[in-house]
Amino acid sequence: EAGVAQSPRYKIIEKRQSVAFWCNPISGHATLYWYQQILGQGPKLLIQFQNNGVVDDSQLPKDRFSAERLKGVDSTLKIQPAKLEDSAVYLCASSLAGPSPMSYTFGSGTRLTVV
Amino acid sequence: QKEVEQDPGPLSVPEGAIVSLNCTYSNSAFQYFMWYRQYSRKGPELLMYTYSSGNKEDGRFTAQVDKSSKYISLFIRDSQPSDSATYLCAFLSGNQFYFGTGTSLTVIP
Repeated sequence: EAGVAQSPRYKIIEKRQSVAFWCNPISGHATLYWYQQILGQGPKLLIQFQNNGVVDDSQLPKDRFSAERLKGVDSTLKIQPAKLEDSAVYLCASSLAGPSPMSYTFGSGTRLTVV
Repeated sequence: QKEVEQDPGPLSVPEGAIVSLNCTYSNSAFQYFMWYRQYSRKGPELLMYTYSSGNKEDGRFTAQVDKSSKYISLFIRDSQPSDSATYLCAFLSGNQFYFGTGTSLTVIP
C-alpha cells in the first residue's frame, strides 16, 4: 500500500511570498488532515477534510492560509503571504473514515523555511 | 494547565538500556491513548495504541495507561540505536487528536 505522498520535500521562500504544498492521501482514505509542526513541538491541526468538505478549520489562520480538496482526493495547502513564524514542517495525514488510530497515516512532510 | 504535558528531553541512553517515556494529561474525555515515533525528516508513525487502563505489550515496547492518575508511559526494553527518534504521545477525543511535544531519544551504541 502506497503511503501519503507530499511535495515538495523542502521549500525556502522569502517573507511575504506565497507557497503551496501538495498532498495525495492513501487510496480510499476519505479523511485528510493538514498539520503544522514547529520545531520542538507536536503537530497542530490546521484543517480536516471529509471527502471534499471541511470538517474542522478552526485553527487555520484564514487571513493567510487556505486549503482545498477538490474531487475528494488530493489536496493543496497555500500560504499567502508567508511570515517568518510560518517556518515549520507541514504534515499531511489521511485515514479511512474519521480519526481512527489504526488507519491514521502521516506523510513525510514539507519543511518550509521563511527567510 | 495544558491538556497534554510531555518532557521534551533530550534523553540519551546506552544500547540495551530500558527507556521510560511519559506523558500526563488533563482531559478525562480522551478515548484513545497512542504513541508515535518520528524519525528525523519523517512523519510520525503509529507505534502503539490502547483505549483502556493497564499494559499493552508489543515486542520490546510496552504501553501503560493509568486513567485514574491521567498518566501514560511507553517502555522500551533492550533499546537499540535504531530506536533513536522523537516519541510523541497522542490522545483522541471525538474527532480531535491531541499531541505531546515529543521526547527526543538517542540510544548510544
